[in-house]
Amino acid sequence: DGGITQSPKYLFRKEGQNVTLSCEQNLNHDAMYWYRQDPGQGLRLIYYSQIVNDFQKGDIAEGYSVSREKKESFPLTVTSAQKNPTAFYLCASSIVPGNEQFFGPGTRLTVL
Amino acid sequence: AQRVTQPEKLLSVFKGAPVELKCNYSYSGSPELFWYVQYSRQRLQLLLRHISRESIKGFTADLNKGETSFHLKKPFAQEEDSAMYYCALFGGYNKLIFGAGTRLAVHP
Repeated sequence: DGGITQSPKYLFRKEGQNVTLSCEQNLNHDAMYWYRQDPGQGLRLIYYSQIVNDFQKGDIAEGYSVSREKKESFPLTVTSAQKNPTAFYLCASSIVPGNEQFFGPGTRLTVL
Repeated sequence: AQRVTQPEKLLSVFKGAPVELKCNYSYSGSPELFWYVQYSRQRLQLLLRHISRESIKGFTADLNKGETSFHLKKPFAQEEDSAMYYCALFGGYNKLIFGAGTRLAVHP
């Protein structure tokens, strides 16, 4: 079940603070993704990266930022500009875009 | 617009009954479609994809381009099939678009 890991499992944040969610993969995958999962809404794409040093906005990128300095790492920062950040965040990777995506265990972020 | 619709939030059946989880899509090109499953306390994982034409855990899904559907079927549901099921479309821009999901509850 290794392969793709996310930390922490639970994260609590005060309003106005930025937080960074970690995502690491040792699958040698080129593509990585961040999704937000809310009840009744499925998974919505926040950002994705097809290759190192490159990333694109997904459908709900406002209030989030990412970096892809290393192939194995794709951290997501939830900024204070994100109006409703409390959610379950999933990271995924695929060998190339369009192939099967492998998902991490997720991080549940709660804003207090 | 690219869109995936799963009309049922919850599907409740008894063990041994047939199951059909509905998925409709909107896409102008040639779609690639997937079913992902999330069992309780487990990661989201791929169940099947239409190009492989496999049967996984007794589930099958046929792409119907005329009806723009990719329904997931199983002739006899088992309790261990209880999970959240997501239909997903790989369209343009290298993005996977997910439906809202259907929770399948199989009762003994």
